[in-house]
Formats: sequence, C-alpha cells, structure tokens
Amino acid sequence: EVQLVESGGGLVQPGGSLRLSCAASGFSFRDHYMDWIRQAPGKGLEWVGHIRNKARSYSTELAASVKGRFTLSRDDSKNSLYLQMNGLRTEDTAVYYCARLAMGTNWGLDLWGQGTTVTVSS
Amino acid sequence: QSLLTQPPSASGTPGQKVTMSCSGTTSNIGSNPVSWYQQLPGTAPKLLIHSNNQRPSGVPDRFSGSKSGTSASLAISGLQSEDEADYYCAAWDDSLNGLFGEGTKLTVL
Repeated sequence: EVQLVESGGGLVQPGGSLRLSCAASGFSFRDHYMDWIRQAPGKGLEWVGHIRNKARSYSTELAASVKGRFTLSRDDSKNSLYLQMNGLRTEDTAVYYCARLAMGTNWGLDLWGQGTTVTVSS
Repeated sequence: QSLLTQPPSASGTPGQKVTMSCSGTTSNIGSNPVSWYQQLPGTAPKLLIHSNNQRPSGVPDRFSGSKSGTSASLAISGLQSEDEADYYCAAWDDSLNGLFGEGTKLTVL
C-alpha cells in the first residue's frame, strides 16, 4: 500500500526538542522530494520545509518561522523522512504532516500522512 | 510568512456551481503553478488540482482550476453535500518558500 505514516509527536515543554519521523511505503521514496506541513489547532495549513532527493544533493528549504531551529533529513535506505525540532515554542503546537511531491509537478503534494500532533506547553 | 489570500467562506446548494478565488503576487502565483487541496473535517488534505488546472487521477471532473496573472480560481460544479470541506490554494514562491492560502470553508446548504 502506498502510504506515509508519521510518528514521534507528543507533549514537550517550551525550549525542548522532538524528532518526528515519516515512514514511506509502496513507492520509490528515494526519487521524490518530500515536505513537512503543519496545522495549528483551528488554523490553516503552514508549510514547514522541503527536502530534495539525492540527485539534488538532499538540499533543503525551511520556512522563516522555523529556520535555525528545525532540521530536515532523510534516510533513503530506510524509506524515512525526519524533522528535528529544537527550541520549541508554544506557537509550534500543531498537527505535523509529511507529504510527497508528485513527480512532474512544480509543487503538487499528492500523498499525505495522517499527521502527528505536537503540543508545546509547560 | 506571507500567505495567499482566499475568502474565508463560500456556500452553495446541491447541484450549483461554486467558484473560490486565490490571490497572490508576481513572485508566487504570478510565476509558479497553483495547486488546490481539499480537507474534510478531521482528515489530511487531499490534492485536487496541480499545475493550475490538472486533476490527479481519481478526482472528479466537477473540480476545475484556472489561473490568470497573480490570481487563481477553483470551480466546483454539480455541488454535492460531500464537497463540504476546507479548500486551500498553494504555490511555490520565488523566495524558495511554499505558501498556502488561508483557506475557504465551503458550506453546502
């Protein structure tokens, strides 16, 4: 089955760290660029970051709101995507989704995980 | 982080055609393709339209997208009750950031 499954969410105190994982299956993960998107409670979608494939040197882009605090990485041998979150703030509380960039599109995210919830609170 | 501008709400009755807009700038919609996503309550977003007007397989042809200049539109014809959802436009920005619209909540009356 073609799917993405996020894990690693939870409750963390402000200033703390968390590492989210996204396990891919059913498709050639190594070929695709991957994104993280988040959604705060009752709010809209917010792009977090983007990691390209090996052909593009696994280069990354990050939203200004998380730059310097969050890091994207991937392990193609494990079909997995990661989001390392440091210096967490209350405003980082959200459901975090990983998503696959469809081949042949500029930025069409055609496969999404079910999301994992991150709550930053004291 | 700048956003693409969408009206907060839209509505229609079953069978009607509804159109929702998305406004950006020359650095995002004006120079990059637009995608549209549908998010049903409590679920992950689903890609409806990519590359301004292309439907992924499995998306009904009742959904159509268009773009002109720095604005884009999503049209839903033959409105159905199951279309009640939040709809987001999205576009890559030349500053190397992904942008989503604020979302339009569609109510089927």
